[in-house]
Amino acid sequence: GQNIDQPTEMTATEGAIVQINCTYQTSGFNGLFWYQQHAGEAPTFLSYNVLDGLEEKGRFSSFLSRSKGYSYLLLKELQMKDSASYLCAAMDSNYQLIWGAGTKLIIKP
Amino acid sequence: ETGVTQTPRHLVMGMTNKKSLKCEQHLGHNAMYWYKQSAKKPLELMFVYSLEERVENNSVPSRFSPECPNSSHLFLHLHTLQPEDSALYLCASSPGWGGAETQYFGPGTRLLVL
Repeated sequence: GQNIDQPTEMTATEGAIVQINCTYQTSGFNGLFWYQQHAGEAPTFLSYNVLDGLEEKGRFSSFLSRSKGYSYLLLKELQMKDSASYLCAAMDSNYQLIWGAGTKLIIKP
Repeated sequence: ETGVTQTPRHLVMGMTNKKSLKCEQHLGHNAMYWYKQSAKKPLELMFVYSLEERVENNSVPSRFSPECPNSSHLFLHLHTLQPEDSALYLCASSPGWGGAETQYFGPGTRLLVL
């Protein structure tokens, strides 16, 4: 079957760095998405990786290893506003998104 | 961000009521989606429309009935719902369907069925 695993909850300190991991098993692969969702708000697109390697966008970076079925989202210089859920989703061979349950990130001062 | 809007934002209904959720996208996209989001569960894809034609219907109970009158509007008609249908209902749109398209979400309708 198709499956996405990511931690349920993580806690980090303001100003620090946190890495949110995601492993996936899909029938075929057409890329991996990360979304941020603040409580009561819309998920917003953060990144899309389809090739191996690290892509950096300001304080956020996303990494993909296709051979390992693994991705991570790296958040640097954490701010209180980064407290949110982070959703990982892999796209299968039919371009269907397989979603993880999300990682709730709690930032402490 | 007002690319995808949803109304109402909150809805409380009894099991015998009929109500409709509305979604509108202002991004010029050709595909629209309905998702159900329950606490601590992955997003569940319910329906997909591409160019106003339904292209996905993921074994959703018939008490949920979608309607897509044009590429900018999407409705979800609700009738005789069950308490387990209480959830956040998210609408999304993407430029196209059937490729590696990024989906853009609305803020959702928080539904409570009593």
